[in-house]
Amino acid sequence: QQPVQSPQAVILREGEDAVINCSSSKALYSVHWYRQKHGEAPVFLMILLKGGEQKGHEKISASFNEKKQQSSLYLTASQLSYSGTYFCGTDRGNQAGTALIFGKGTTLSVSS
Amino acid sequence: GAVVSQHPSRVICKSGTSVKIECRSLDFQATTMFWYRQFPKQSLMLMATSNEGSKATYEQGVEKDKFLINHASLTLSTLTVTSAHPEDSSFYICSAIRDSYEQYFGPGTRLTVT
Repeated sequence: QQPVQSPQAVILREGEDAVINCSSSKALYSVHWYRQKHGEAPVFLMILLKGGEQKGHEKISASFNEKKQQSSLYLTASQLSYSGTYFCGTDRGNQAGTALIFGKGTTLSVSS
Repeated sequence: GAVVSQHPSRVICKSGTSVKIECRSLDFQATTMFWYRQFPKQSLMLMATSNEGSKATYEQGVEKDKFLINHASLTLSTLTVTSAHPEDSSFYICSAIRDSYEQYFGPGTRLTVT
């Protein structure tokens, strides 16, 4: 029941936008987004909960379609620092506070 | 700032020896922590759920006698890789939940078994 992320990789120039998608075959309680740079641990970006609550960084936006069991992460006016691998994670159980199952990741490369 | 710490950040050990990795929540209590493993260019895979004061819950395929988990206090969980082999070389990352659902990851421990 690993969530499916698309695309696998994105190449951008500074200032361009990107959308990363995450879909699951099971009902979701929440979707978590992380960014990981090479050799480092994942950094929390955003969490979206069933019912509409969201919490995350100001410059990051995302959507969560509970019916379609999908989430999208919107990266606008990309900066060099946005480069990295983006993972979505979904709750393993049917409530928040459980372990996460991660997608395979989307690699984002931003160049000047 | 960091809310979850791990120690050590890197460790190299000989095959057959044991290695202990510590995971601490820095400014909050965590009754539950999670241990993940990540191989190069792959996603994070859950190994086990560490519960304070009780036995850990292991994922299918993870040997509980090889990966010993102890969650002795509300801020500390340890993972001991026993009789390590080269195939255990990986990036081990712990996480803890704060404020009910925000899951924060430690900086990770890169284990190399020679």
